[in-house]
Amino acid sequence: EAQVTQNPRYLITVTGKKLTVTCSQNMNHEYMSWYRQDPGLGLRQIYYSMNVEVTDKGDVPEGYKVSRKEKRNFPLILESPSPNQTSLYFCASSSGTRKYEQFFGPGTRLTVL
Amino acid sequence: GENVEQHPSTLSVQEGDSAVIKCTYSDSASNYFPWYKQELGKRPQLIIDIRSNVGEKKDQRIAVTLNKTAKHFSLHITETQPEDSAVYFCAASRWDSNYQLIWGAGTKLIIKP
Repeated sequence: EAQVTQNPRYLITVTGKKLTVTCSQNMNHEYMSWYRQDPGLGLRQIYYSMNVEVTDKGDVPEGYKVSRKEKRNFPLILESPSPNQTSLYFCASSSGTRKYEQFFGPGTRLTVL
Repeated sequence: GENVEQHPSTLSVQEGDSAVIKCTYSDSASNYFPWYKQELGKRPQLIIDIRSNVGEKKDQRIAVTLNKTAKHFSLHITETQPEDSAVYFCAASRWDSNYQLIWGAGTKLIIKP
């Protein structure tokens, strides 16, 4: 089954404790992206990647890191999480043939205390 | 850069009535306009899209219209049903944007029984 997976789905952590949210897709998509979703603010892009070893900042990159060492994986790293990073995070991917149709993962709800 | 405004933020309609959600965009070079639906607790999913060389597109009870001169596009849902209750996001993109979508803030559609 073609899909985008994220882990963990739910995470409660404390300020300053480094964490990684994994994202994996099995559709051989070139493009992958991370969004955060907050009430009233819609979907805001954090980082995106056009292909392996190619990443770029989105609209709200501060406090986040990403890497794209393999085509299928695009982890989101919070080196020192803060309470303002409490949010719902979505990973998405799309292919070169229909590059604007983004397939979303199930979401990761992160709470930073 | 591109900016997408979406209205209303909340829309409540009687079951069976029609619902219309409107978006305006600022970049006249934008040429692709998708709509995503996000049911409660679920991931956003593409429901319909339109390109700038087309004025209207229909898929059963949903349709999207585009007015390039006025730089706005709308989602129309006819004969609304309870399963139409969700948050709807519009987005815009231009052909040279490297997969980037600029998102509206979302509309919460409530279908009253």
